Amino acid sequence: QQQVKQSPQSLIVQKGGISIINCAYENTAFDYFPWYQQFPGKGPALLIAIRPDVSEKKEGRFTISFNKSAKQFSLHIMDSQPGDSATYFCAASPPMDTGRRALTFGSGTRLQVQP
Amino acid sequence: KAGVTQTPRYLIKTRGQQVTLSCSPISGHRSVSWYQQTPGQGLQFLFEYFSETQRNKGNFPGRFSGRQFSNSRSEMNVSTLELGDSALYLCASSAGQKGQGYTFGSGTRLTVV
Repeated sequence: QQQVKQSPQSLIVQKGGISIINCAYENTAFDYFPWYQQFPGKGPALLIAIRPDVSEKKEGRFTISFNKSAKQFSLHIMDSQPGDSATYFCAASPPMDTGRRALTFGSGTRLQVQP
Repeated sequence: KAGVTQTPRYLIKTRGQQVTLSCSPISGHRSVSWYQQTPGQGLQFLFEYFSETQRNKGNFPGRFSGRQFSNSRSEMNVSTLELGDSALYLCASSAGQKGQGYTFGSGTRLTVV
């Protein structure tokens, strides 16, 4: 029940296009859903995060859409740029006050934005 | 503001040895978590420390242990290394408050031969 399923495994998008990555979770106790971006040789970097009390959050070119009833959330990257080429991970975590705060990660999506 | 610092960046050890990895969190962050990243298993949670106490532990054998010091710096130790322990070990720190995300270091690449 801790699993987070991420798709697609890899994605090729043309410069200026929209990149969409999807995740689904099973544990209804999760209340924090971040997305991380990872470049080779670096640790994951927090991009944007959402809590289940909102259905959408936008920061610059990055938008999270959240569907609580379907237990799904997705990352949209608008106007994708070659510099966005990286591996993206979704994650989920139980509430901070449960004492079980730990990120469960999806398997990752390797995004390649072609110039 | 300095980020999360992990040392060393690279490490090569022989099967059966033990290893200690170090993590210095962002100043003011009291929560430190450790994750293992491998191509096959992805990113997996090892344990979390908050104010020197282990607050949560993932599904790893007892060979994996950690501790946190009063200045929030953390170390993780792996004893009796196995080939399968080869991985990128990532440390993440957080202020430990609701709404605060985790900031990851660049990791320690451990190779067991």
